[in-house]
This record gives sequence, C-alpha cells and structure tokens, in this order.
Amino acid sequence: DVKVTQSSRYLVKRTGEKVFLECVQDMDHENMFWYRQDPGLGLRLIYFSYDVKMKEKGDIPEGYSVSREKKERFSLILESASTNQTSMYLCASTPGQGTYGYTFGSGTRLTVV
Amino acid sequence: QQPVQSPQAVILREGEDAVINCSSSKALYSVHWYRQKHGEAPVFLMILLKGGEQKGHDKISASFNEKKQQSSLYLTASQLSYSGTYFCGTEIGGSQGNLIFGKGTKLSVKP
Repeated sequence: DVKVTQSSRYLVKRTGEKVFLECVQDMDHENMFWYRQDPGLGLRLIYFSYDVKMKEKGDIPEGYSVSREKKERFSLILESASTNQTSMYLCASTPGQGTYGYTFGSGTRLTVV
Repeated sequence: QQPVQSPQAVILREGEDAVINCSSSKALYSVHWYRQKHGEAPVFLMILLKGGEQKGHDKISASFNEKKQQSSLYLTASQLSYSGTYFCGTEIGGSQGNLIFGKGTKLSVKP
C-alpha cells in the first residue's frame, strides 16, 4: 500500500514562528498536494506540485510556501504563523495526472497560540 | 467553484439506504468520492469519469450525470462501518487536474 507520512500528528506553535510541516510518500508518486481542513469548509487546496522543484499555488496560498527538493518529500512552510492558520493540514499524493485517486496522510493538527 | 453536497448530515439505522449528492456549477471532467472517519485520513472510494457511468463495489455505488454536473453516492443496506464524513472532489476545466472538494456529508449509522 502507498503510504503518505506526515511527520507530526499534533503541533503547537507561537504566533510569528516559522513552521515546517513535512510530508513523505513512498511510492514514487509524481503529484503531491497540501490541503487544510476546517469544520464546515471542507478541504481547501493550498499548494501542489507535479514535479521536483515545481510548485503551483492552489486556492488559498497566502501565508504559506512550499518546497519540493526530492520527489518523495513535499514540505509546507508557514513563514510567520498566525492564529488563523490553526487547522488540520492534510498532505496527499497521486501517481500522475489522470484518473487516479488521492492517497492522504493522517494529517497534522496545528494550533497557533 | 466549490461543489455543493447535500444533505449536510444524515442519520441512519443499520440496513437503511442513503443517497448523497454533489452538484457543481462548472462542467466536470471527473468526480471523486472519499470517506473520512473521525481522526483519520480521507480514503478514496471511487472515481467517475465523463460518460454518465455508474460504478460501485460492495453496497456503495455512484453515478455521474455530466450534463447536469451532478454525482450521487448510493449506500445500500448501510453498515455501522459506513459512518463517517463523505466528500466529493470535482475536477473542472482549467483546474490542472486538481480536485475541488465539497464541504462534506456526515453520515451516522446507528445499530
């Protein structure tokens, strides 16, 4: 089975801190995504990447950046954490563009205080 | 652009049937369905492509009406294990293949 691993299950950070969320997949998938999930809002796309060193903005990229130096790893960076970034963050991957389902990681619940 | 799911929540008894709908205002290339149990990652159920096809496995099936930009998920003879939140993810033109997810439908199956 494809595994998408997010390094932390829970994180608590202070306002203004720089935060790194890590995601690693083990099946050589081309595409990787970062979503945030908030009650009543569903999943919203922050950034995605279709290749190493490639990144594209999703629907809500403000306040975030990403890094993909290796194919298996996709990092989400909160440059200066704010309380409105308190959320569940989900990473996902797919083999490539086309008719593939997404495989999600278990999520990182980030609290910014 | 976010698809609209209905109902927002539904409570069933074991053995009852349910239908969850997903509607988009945009032309759809494909529709995905996922189930998320509390505290867990969303799990892929199935994908439907243009052509009005219907898919299913076990007692969960789905249809896709591309003319109406709608998809429906059918859960037949529900089991306790079907409880969770169901999301549809829609692929629209210009989305570079990315999915836009609905807000979810919370399904609770009671004994």
